[in-house]
Amino acid sequence: QEQLVESGGGVVQPGRSLGLSCAASGFTFSNYGMHWVRQAPGKGLEWVAVIWHDGRNKYYADSVKGRFTISRDNSKNTLYLQMNSLRAEDTAVYYCTRDISSSWFDCWGQGILVTVSS
Amino acid sequence: EIVMTQSPATLSVSPGERATLSCRASQSINSNLAWYQQKPGQAPRLLIYGSSTRATGIPARFSGSGSGTEFTLTISSLQSEDFAVYSCQQYNNWPPMYTFGQGTKLEIK
Repeated sequence: QEQLVESGGGVVQPGRSLGLSCAASGFTFSNYGMHWVRQAPGKGLEWVAVIWHDGRNKYYADSVKGRFTISRDNSKNTLYLQMNSLRAEDTAVYYCTRDISSSWFDCWGQGILVTVSS
Repeated sequence: EIVMTQSPATLSVSPGERATLSCRASQSINSNLAWYQQKPGQAPRLLIYGSSTRATGIPARFSGSGSGTEFTLTISSLQSEDFAVYSCQQYNNWPPMYTFGQGTKLEIK
């Protein structure tokens, strides 16, 4: 079945970096735009970034622009999020998700917790 | 940025009754709205897209309506498994800047 599995989360100090991965299976990964969406503890969902199916275009939320980089390797069916200059407010569960026609999100990973704390 | 506002923040309803959840956009988003259900410790689950189209496998008791700036998610007869947090999401703007509402918690009365 279609599946997304995130990895790479953990506890990191403010100002440091952390990378997340999302392994896709059960569908043709290279056909889909992919996103990262996060959810701070007790808060709502916040869209973070999108990458086009071919990796040519990337867009970011203002809150992470210049600090986070989304990328993908279609040969490995894997999505990435490199997070630099982390702040306490980046603490959240990070989900990778697949979009349909650059619109809604129909398949989600289980989420991975990132905690930014000294 | 398009701001999505959901109301109420919490809705208490008895099983078997109807629940009506609202989502308002700060500017017109046509019908470019999706609804998600999220249970504690789980990822969101797509319920509705295009304002009113049920996603695959979603029961008919879930229905969506609206266009422009006002949207509604209705659950016609609440089942025990429906008590969760519901979030709306718009996908109308360019360059892409997806935004979610803050969520409505549907709890058992």
